[in-house]
Amino acid sequence: QQQVKQSPQSLIVQKGGISIINCAYENTAFDYFPWYQQFPGKGPALLIAIRPDVSEKKEGRFTISFNKSAKQFSLHIMDSQPGDSATYFCAASPASNTGKLIFGQGTTLQVKP
Amino acid sequence: GAGVSQSPSNKVTEKGKDVELRCDPISGHTALYWYRQSLGQGLEFLIYFQGNSAPDKSGLPSDRFSAERTGGSVSTLTIQRTQQEDSAVYLCASSPQGNTIYFGEGSWLTVV
Repeated sequence: QQQVKQSPQSLIVQKGGISIINCAYENTAFDYFPWYQQFPGKGPALLIAIRPDVSEKKEGRFTISFNKSAKQFSLHIMDSQPGDSATYFCAASPASNTGKLIFGQGTTLQVKP
Repeated sequence: GAGVSQSPSNKVTEKGKDVELRCDPISGHTALYWYRQSLGQGLEFLIYFQGNSAPDKSGLPSDRFSAERTGGSVSTLTIQRTQQEDSAVYLCASSPQGNTIYFGEGSWLTVV
């Protein structure tokens, strides 16, 4: 019940295309759903986050779509660029401690020029 | 501005030795977290400190792992009698209470 399942494990997209990464969770106590971006040798950096009171949040080329009834959320990267090539992690945490994150297994994104 | 600082950035140790990993959080951040990132297990929560409250140790994998936070700032993660399965990146993160957490670049531990 604590797991967050992420797919796909890896993704190759052409420059300018849309990258879509999906996550599903079981624990209805989760209240905060961030996406982190990680480059090799670096720590994860927050990309965008959503709470379940909204169904979509957009920041620049990055959009989170959230389906509370299905307990699923996804990251869409529009107009993907080679600089977006990184590993992306979804995560979830309870309202009582938004920093106590349960992470998905990660998606390695490669954007081809 | 300074981010979360971790040291050492890389550590190679022999099986059975003890190691200490240090974290300097962002100034003013009251919450501090340790996570572990390994190939087999992904990113796992280890321990959480918030101010003067008792730490949440629920993620520590065994009693060989311990952590302390002195003066509400610097934290040290100690692994005793290291095993090969302890090889991983140990990530520290800090946060203003209840908000986004910011990760350091990690301490890469290799147990040989």
